[in-house]
Amino acid sequence: DTGVSQDPRHKITKRGQNVTFRCDPISEHNRLYWYRQTLGQGPEFLTYFQNEAQLEKSRLLSDRFSAERPKGSFSTLEIQRTEQGDSAMYLCASSLPGGSGNTIYFGEGSWLTVV
Amino acid sequence: AQSVTQLGSHVSVSEGALVLLRCNYSSSVPPYLFWYVQYPNQGLQLLLKYTTGATLVKGINGFEAEFKKSETSFHLTKPSAHMSDAAEYFCAVTPYSGAGSYQLTFGKGTKLSVIP
Repeated sequence: DTGVSQDPRHKITKRGQNVTFRCDPISEHNRLYWYRQTLGQGPEFLTYFQNEAQLEKSRLLSDRFSAERPKGSFSTLEIQRTEQGDSAMYLCASSLPGGSGNTIYFGEGSWLTVV
Repeated sequence: AQSVTQLGSHVSVSEGALVLLRCNYSSSVPPYLFWYVQYPNQGLQLLLKYTTGATLVKGINGFEAEFKKSETSFHLTKPSAHMSDAAEYFCAVTPYSGAGSYQLTFGKGTKLSVIP
């Protein structure tokens, strides 16, 4: 069990560029989540996958954001035409199948700075 | 819909003193409740959770929390603070089933400082 892995850990990009983050969940975890955390705030839910199916999306996930989990294993979160307001930490998390009380394990996050 | 209010964005305690971090929640259905800890530039680590059963929940590092339905609270306590407890603490809620389950709703966090 190596934990949830995220890459890159830090990304600085110019406004208008596209960025992509990758998440590798804990093996055998079929549920995968993306959250966003800005300075001084708690994490906010973005989207949730069960296997390869994207089951829920927050209204925070604008058209510039797209998440995929093509084979039900790793996931990518792409932000197109980045804006300064996208600067945040993007957290990936995973959990085992079962009820909503199952523990959700978080990765160490990917910091995005848009300049 | 769910919401979480953490009273006090910053709490300072002396080493060896009681730690009390407050969390109140709002939920239209029975909730599952969680406390996570975040160290600087790191992700979140689960301290403890309440799902069903005993309302006093014990977690890692000597922390515990009590679910009080009548007060809609889930306060986090530790009898004796240690320097290593300095971190940010987040309370979170999710409905036990139905719409929005599997989505954690977090409070804004409480930063705990421990004074030697």
